Amino acid sequence: GESVGLHLPTLSVQEGDNSIINCAYSNSASDYFIWYKQESGKGPQFIIDIRSNMDKRQGQRVTVLLNKTVKHLSLQIAATQPGDSAVYFCAEVRYSGGSNYKLTFGKGTLLTVNP
Amino acid sequence: SAVISQKPSRDICQRGTSLTIQCQVDSQVTMMFWYRQQPGQSLTLIATANQGSEATYESGFVIDKFPISRPNLTFSTLTVSNMSPEDSSIYLCSVERLADQETQYFGPGTRLLVL
Repeated sequence: GESVGLHLPTLSVQEGDNSIINCAYSNSASDYFIWYKQESGKGPQFIIDIRSNMDKRQGQRVTVLLNKTVKHLSLQIAATQPGDSAVYFCAEVRYSGGSNYKLTFGKGTLLTVNP
Repeated sequence: SAVISQKPSRDICQRGTSLTIQCQVDSQVTMMFWYRQQPGQSLTLIATANQGSEATYESGFVIDKFPISRPNLTFSTLTVSNMSPEDSSIYLCSVERLADQETQYFGPGTRLLVL
């Protein structure tokens, strides 16, 4: 069936380096994607989103890239800091009729930042 | 974003008992949702809590096991009924605001352990 998944379950980087977290999706009809950050013991926190009519969107130290040709999404974190250590989820918005939609989450990538 | 609180933050329960989890938002929201996140796993949608009408459940989740209430635009409850150890999980509520539809903001979660 259709799914949203991640290429790498864990990623370890040195403080100050750039991090790239990848996500593959299979539903070409999806038109909205969201990245969430979940720190230990907390709920997911919205980071950044992107619509399918865009291929790049930038936030503060984060950039999301969308490649619809290969159905691939990535989150780039610049100058990674220890506070960036968390599990990162991509989520796909899928509509089920009218304005009803469902958020489908990928498996998550654990990012560990080494000082 | 909305400020979302959940009570209790964690609990340890005996099998066969029920637990009601509360979700309170500091502003009126259009939609409220309940998710389950098993240890080390991604999030799975349980149901959409509709204000003034019955909740809409996802495949694999039923009202008898997870009754939901949403008496107004800022509050919802999820009950986990007749618990078994397999219900041990994190239960998260999320909300969608009118100002930014399709983006969900999450509460801190309720960590449930069933013995």
